[in-house]
Amino acid sequence: DAKTTQPTSMDCAEGRAANLPCNHSTISGNEYVYWYRQIHSQGPQYIIHGLKNNETNEMASLIITEDRKSSTLILPHATLRDTAVYYCIVRAEGDDKIIFGKGTRLHILP
Amino acid sequence: NAGVTQTPKFRVLKTGQSMTLLCAQDMNHEYMYWYRQDPGMGLRLIHYSVGEGTTAKGEVPDGYNVSRLKKQNFLLGLESAAPSQTSVYFCASSYPPLGQRKWWANVLTFGAGSRLTVL
Repeated sequence: DAKTTQPTSMDCAEGRAANLPCNHSTISGNEYVYWYRQIHSQGPQYIIHGLKNNETNEMASLIITEDRKSSTLILPHATLRDTAVYYCIVRAEGDDKIIFGKGTRLHILP
Repeated sequence: NAGVTQTPKFRVLKTGQSMTLLCAQDMNHEYMYWYRQDPGMGLRLIHYSVGEGTTAKGEVPDGYNVSRLKKQNFLLGLESAAPSQTSVYFCASSYPPLGQRKWWANVLTFGAGSRLTVL
């Protein structure tokens, strides 16, 4: 089973920040939080990952709570091209069996 | 640098036929994966491999076989296709050899997918 839970779907207005939550209450100390997205029927694409500190790259920001039991992916200025399914997974370095959940289907509204 | 390449991209089979999907990666990754994705659903792990000559079962292995005779290739076989195996199949790889691992070592790189229809 997936180690994370995410809302099934979310809406966000174009130009606004999209905040996608992920719950990982059983995360271990050596497990990282990874985010991927899948646009239409393409292969999933890596977005960002982190251990305990907040992270930012050119695509998004990742905010991890102090107890590490949940995190939020932030797309600062959502565009129509951000419409996709977003997957949150937890994985320790070298973990081999990678299980995805059902992800969150994000709809960007014009 | 092609990344992960899947062949074929599309295939239509009749029930009972057999076929093999090929996944090839040119990143020298140790780990390779096969997932399936049904309409409106998430990714489900079929089989995976942690190195040349190794394979292991994922969440939904029944009806599939895999082989990893060469490090860069991971083959997914359907011996007797069934309509329930109609799906989009994705291959992924990760984890460079020791000495080449940096912050992105555990990032999965996916192929573009193979759409299989079983009639």
